[in-house]
Amino acid sequence: DIQMTQSPSSLSASIGDRVTITCRASQNINNYLNWYQQRPGKAPTLLIYTASSLHSGVPSRFSGSGSGTDFTLTIRNVQPEDFGTYFCHQGYQTPVTFGQGTMLEIK
Amino acid sequence: QVQLVQSGAEVKKPGASVKVSCKASGYIFSNYYMHWVRQAPGQGLEWMGIINLSGDATINTQKFQGRLTVTRDTSTSTLYMELSSLKFDDTAVYYCARAGPGVAVASTDYWGQGTLITVSA
Repeated sequence: DIQMTQSPSSLSASIGDRVTITCRASQNINNYLNWYQQRPGKAPTLLIYTASSLHSGVPSRFSGSGSGTDFTLTIRNVQPEDFGTYFCHQGYQTPVTFGQGTMLEIK
Repeated sequence: QVQLVQSGAEVKKPGASVKVSCKASGYIFSNYYMHWVRQAPGQGLEWMGIINLSGDATINTQKFQGRLTVTRDTSTSTLYMELSSLKFDDTAVYYCARAGPGVAVASTDYWGQGTLITVSA
């Protein structure tokens, strides 16, 4: 199985900050990497797919980059509604695997 | 718009079975693979399995071999997940998710709201 390792496990940001979350795959997954946001008690929602494509309706302050094994999610100009847990997900092969999550707190 | 609406929360005893439904709307159900993912309280996301377009082939993670049955009914645009021989650590929120975007199979785009299954004596 492909292991997905996220860092950091949690972070705190102020409104307007820039935040970066990284995800590393245990083997090459090309660009089959998605990023999700999950607010408490809610289902995950897709932000970024194939490493850098913005999902429909997602604000442009979210962006993704990377390929192979190393990926980054960047949130520019953090907003109050950006709180929650962010997960990376490899869609390269089954079994599908997820990172352990990064909890973002808004100060 | 794409919507996946799941059945309600359930409480089950150890050893019992549970069947969760996921009704799709806003897109052509038969054109997309479907996934099940679960999340134990306070934990991360755990992929369970996937079903193909016609419903005649599934891939389940080895952990659930023999306990997990995923089916779909194209006539009602409904996906099902049945988990048998329930254990206490099967307590989790279970999510259905559509494969995508586009033709991606192992990726997911839209998710249901989740169904809490509690296993309790």
